[in-house]
Amino acid sequence: QKEVEQNSGPLSVPEGAIASLNCTYSDRGSQSFFWYRQYSGKSPELIMSIYSNGDKEDGRFTAQLNKASQYVSLLIRDSQPSDSATYLCAVKAGGGADGLTFGKGTHLIIQP
Amino acid sequence: NAGVTQTPKFRILKIGQSMTLQCAQDMNHNYMYWYRQDPGMGLKLIYYSVGAGITDKGEVPNGYNVSRSTTEDFPLRLELAAPSQTSVYFCATYRALGVYGYTFGSGTRLTVV
Repeated sequence: QKEVEQNSGPLSVPEGAIASLNCTYSDRGSQSFFWYRQYSGKSPELIMSIYSNGDKEDGRFTAQLNKASQYVSLLIRDSQPSDSATYLCAVKAGGGADGLTFGKGTHLIIQP
Repeated sequence: NAGVTQTPKFRILKIGQSMTLQCAQDMNHNYMYWYRQDPGMGLKLIYYSVGAGITDKGEVPNGYNVSRSTTEDFPLRLELAAPSQTSVYFCATYRALGVYGYTFGSGTRLTVV
């Protein structure tokens, strides 16, 4: 059984600070890793994808991957109230048609 | 370019009724998926398809059926609805080459009473 674990939160962060979201996964064969943002009542929206160990930066977002520790993280710099949402970590086992395995999500609250 | 379109957006079913959730995409993506999301939970894969005429079960397929007669459409059929199928259903597509990541539809919120 493939599992993806996230702290459900809520995680409360002051506006302008760095929000740090973490995720661990059980399947060592996993190759692709995604962070989705989901506002209440809306569909998931892709924020970041990462495929190799290290850091990947895109604007205020940085994804970090450590395959040896089976650990993925998302950093959000200069947090804004509009970043308040649930962040879903998702893992894909291999190439091709494999579906995503999702964590339960971390509810992030940015305090103005 | 509408992306992934799901209909209906909301539906209330009585126990034992049947319905079809529609999913259509105009991106010519090969792979399509159906997920369900229960309150406070992540998404769980119900069924997926790698192309017209080819479907396969995901993690939670019981109580559902799918078909894929065209690249564009991937309907999800609920037979004999049960309260446990109360959930939000998302259809998604994935392109195997080029830009990675899944594109989700806006979802169908289903309540079985």
